[in-house]
Amino acid sequence: AQKITQTQPGMFVQEKEAVTLDCTYDTSDQSYGLFWYKQPSSGEMIFLIYQGSYDEQNATEGRYSLNFQKARKSANLVISASQLGDSAMYFCAMSSRDSSYKLIFGSGTRLLVRP
Amino acid sequence: EAGVAQSPRYKIIEKRQSVAFWCNPISGHATLYWYQQILGQGPKLLIQFQNNGVVDDSQLPKDRFSAERLKGVDSTLKIQPAKLEDSAVYLCASSSLALQETQYFGPGTRLLVL
Repeated sequence: AQKITQTQPGMFVQEKEAVTLDCTYDTSDQSYGLFWYKQPSSGEMIFLIYQGSYDEQNATEGRYSLNFQKARKSANLVISASQLGDSAMYFCAMSSRDSSYKLIFGSGTRLLVRP
Repeated sequence: EAGVAQSPRYKIIEKRQSVAFWCNPISGHATLYWYQQILGQGPKLLIQFQNNGVVDDSQLPKDRFSAERLKGVDSTLKIQPAKLEDSAVYLCASSSLALQETQYFGPGTRLLVL
């Protein structure tokens, strides 16, 4: 069975600094995808970044990058140059063929950016 | 490109009443998902459609929840009768037919059962 673990319930970061949100996963499937979503207090889930299990390069999208370490089964999100608007819940998720590509989510990390 | 639309945004009902939620996916997206997000937790899949067929409904409490996808486009999720523990945010997402495609979410419906 697939499982996502996010061990940081809450994180603080100073504005303009970088922050890393941890995510580890467990799956026996060889082909899978890893996703990060942002959920502001308004409730919508905003897609941030995707990493495929066969991708050799770490994914990057603007200020977001995914530190993918396949052997350690980790997929940490790095946010560079934090902004006040980055304050939100962040969810790590995975999908795989074995799970019919439904998303399995972690419990989330609440990030608060301090001015 | 318009995103995933959901209505209503908020709903308050009493236990044992019924409620229905509506979702319109991104145009051309064949796959539609309904997730339930209880406060303080990550979303959990209730049901997954591909076009108008059900792919996965293993986590749907079928004694009270039902869902349909009309003509492979819009979808409705119904709860009848509602229980207190159904209080949650109900999120609809859609993705294209291609495998491993990103799911895009709607704004969600916040349900409070009193």
